[in-house]
Amino acid sequence: DTAVSQTPKYLVTQMGNDKSIKCEQNLGHDTMYWYKQDSKKFLKIMFSYNNKELIINETVPNRFSPKSPDKAHLNLHINSLELGDSAVYFCASSQIRQTRDYGYTFGSGTRLTVV
Amino acid sequence: AQSVTQLGSHVSVSEGALVLLRCNYSSSVPPYLFWYVQYPNQGLQLLLKYTTGATLVKGINGFEAEFKKSETSFHLTKPSAHMSDAAEYFCAVSGGTNAGKSTFGDGTTLTVKP
Repeated sequence: DTAVSQTPKYLVTQMGNDKSIKCEQNLGHDTMYWYKQDSKKFLKIMFSYNNKELIINETVPNRFSPKSPDKAHLNLHINSLELGDSAVYFCASSQIRQTRDYGYTFGSGTRLTVV
Repeated sequence: AQSVTQLGSHVSVSEGALVLLRCNYSSSVPPYLFWYVQYPNQGLQLLLKYTTGATLVKGINGFEAEFKKSETSFHLTKPSAHMSDAAEYFCAVSGGTNAGKSTFGDGTTLTVKP
């Protein structure tokens, strides 16, 4: 009964390809996120959606495009993959009530390797 | 802007010894503070959080942390390390208009020696 589930867990692809990562949460949270974790384990926020509305859009190449069809789903599409895109991508969700932050629930991650 | 500094990228302790992982934050608004743990090849799991109220917060697996505003610190401790505590630990801060947008520290790798 996974709270935040991502698919696929591993993704190996060639440079120039387009790929998508899917995320679903069954916690009833209203906010979802994409984070990137590089090889040194640094975590950087990429995007955040609140009730299907984009609220955080950090400095990320426009080859990355998030989509939220409903508040339980947040997908990440990446065009023209580059070697530097290799990383672990984490989806997370949270419930923010009156600006009170209760922390994230993370998915298990998608390890993307571009060859 | 908010930021987090985790002092010591690697900490090694013996099994049964005290665990102390240091975190200092910077925030212009009252912060929300978090510690997460990441086991190999897994996602991050929330260990504990400080929002408001009691400054000593207890989390899972016997960990606790104390919010010290005067020192802008939120250090993580556990009285007695267990082999299963070996993992990566991340401190994070959010708050104010950044509620829900956590900024993470660079992480501390905890090694537990038998």
